Amino acid sequence: AQSVAQPEDQVNVAEGNPLTVKCTYSVSGNPYLFWYVQYPNRGLQFLLKYITGDNLVKGSYGFEAEFNKSQTSFHLKKPSALVSDSALYFCAVRDDTGFQKLVFGTGTRLLVSP
Amino acid sequence: NAGVTQTPKFRVLKTGQSMTLLCAQDMNHEYMYWYRQDPGMGLRLIHYSVGEGTTAKGEVPDGYNVSRLKKQNFLLGLESAAPSQTSVYFCASSSGVRRETQYFGPGTRLLVL
Repeated sequence: AQSVAQPEDQVNVAEGNPLTVKCTYSVSGNPYLFWYVQYPNRGLQFLLKYITGDNLVKGSYGFEAEFNKSQTSFHLKKPSALVSDSALYFCAVRDDTGFQKLVFGTGTRLLVSP
Repeated sequence: NAGVTQTPKFRVLKTGQSMTLLCAQDMNHEYMYWYRQDPGMGLRLIHYSVGEGTTAKGEVPDGYNVSRLKKQNFLLGLESAAPSQTSVYFCASSSGVRRETQYFGPGTRLLVL
């Protein structure tokens, strides 16, 4: 079965510094990978996805993600963090059995300090 | 467009009571989903629907029922609430070949005492 793992419950970074939120995946075929963000008291919002092609995927709000097949990773990155980036970030993979639903990771809380 | 809306926002139930959570979307999406979010467990799919009149079980369907009588609405029912169903419930919808891009509602916080 497809799965993703987010090894960090929380990531702390100072405003202006680069940030990385980690995700590793386990799939039986080609990976279809996603990042979603959840701001406080809100539903999840789509950030970006990797289907095929360029290993560096650009998304909303200045975020990007790097797909690394050899390390089975799909880390979320941003060159310069903002306090407003503080949120809960979920990595997800498409389950290629049956309906091809999304399987979410456990989430990583990002805290950006001023 | 309101997007995806959920009713109610918050509810307290006693064990054994029943309730229905309503999800509505105005984007004409074919696919709709119900998730629950619990600390340390991320989002888990309860039930989903690929179109009006069709529903299917997700990862954690036990104790829940769903109905999709109209394309824009997806109802989640708890027939006999249990404390283990205390959670935040999210509805989502998506469409077409980009169905992995899901649009989420603001959530319903449910407390079962």
